[in-house]
Amino acid sequence: SAVISQKPSRDICQRGTSLTIQCQVDSQVTMMFWYRQQPGQSLTLIATANQGSEATYESGFVIDKFPISRPNLTFSTLTVSNMSPEDSSIYLCSVSTGTSSGNTIYFGEGSWLTVV
Amino acid sequence: QKEVEQDPGPLSVPEGAIVSLNCTYSNSAFQYFMWYRQYSRKGPELLMYTYSSGNKEDGRFTAQVDKSSKYISLFIRDSQPSDSATYLCAMSAVGGTSYGKLTFGQGTILTVHP
Repeated sequence: SAVISQKPSRDICQRGTSLTIQCQVDSQVTMMFWYRQQPGQSLTLIATANQGSEATYESGFVIDKFPISRPNLTFSTLTVSNMSPEDSSIYLCSVSTGTSSGNTIYFGEGSWLTVV
Repeated sequence: QKEVEQDPGPLSVPEGAIVSLNCTYSNSAFQYFMWYRQYSRKGPELLMYTYSSGNKEDGRFTAQVDKSSKYISLFIRDSQPSDSATYLCAMSAVGGTSYGKLTFGQGTILTVHP
């Protein structure tokens, strides 16, 4: 398994500001992902964080709003830019361990953001 | 229509009951199936994962997959109050750009009362 640490664990943010969330894994992993969980909802994939290249975003998510960095195989950041109350969510980092024929996917504890 | 449908519940059962949680899916490319448990204000915890149709057992938990019907289930035997949580089914295709990308059900809220 993988141990995933996220910072901050929670924050209250002012409208119009930006916040960067950090994700640290205790071992090198090939694949890292960022998910969003809106209040009372399930998880939705935001993007795949690619080491050494630009992140790959899912439909409905754009780099200007959610810039992602992945400087090495154990660390990634997600920035939520120009926040509005609609961005109030849990943001979760996940990693995939294993080979392309079989993988196990683990999640961090999440970063709980409230935008006021 | 959502790719993955899961009854959100809530589901309330007495301690010791057998719990059945279910998901249906429409994307036949899904080949990898997982169940997560999420306690309030916590991240999802991986419970079970499987690739093939049939049953997989781990302690009190049994995951069942029927690819022909596009239907998966999680059974919890001898349920305990500590099992009270939201249970999320998740699935993905395999290979290429699908690697590691999960599509989740809505989650079922389970309460086991003493």
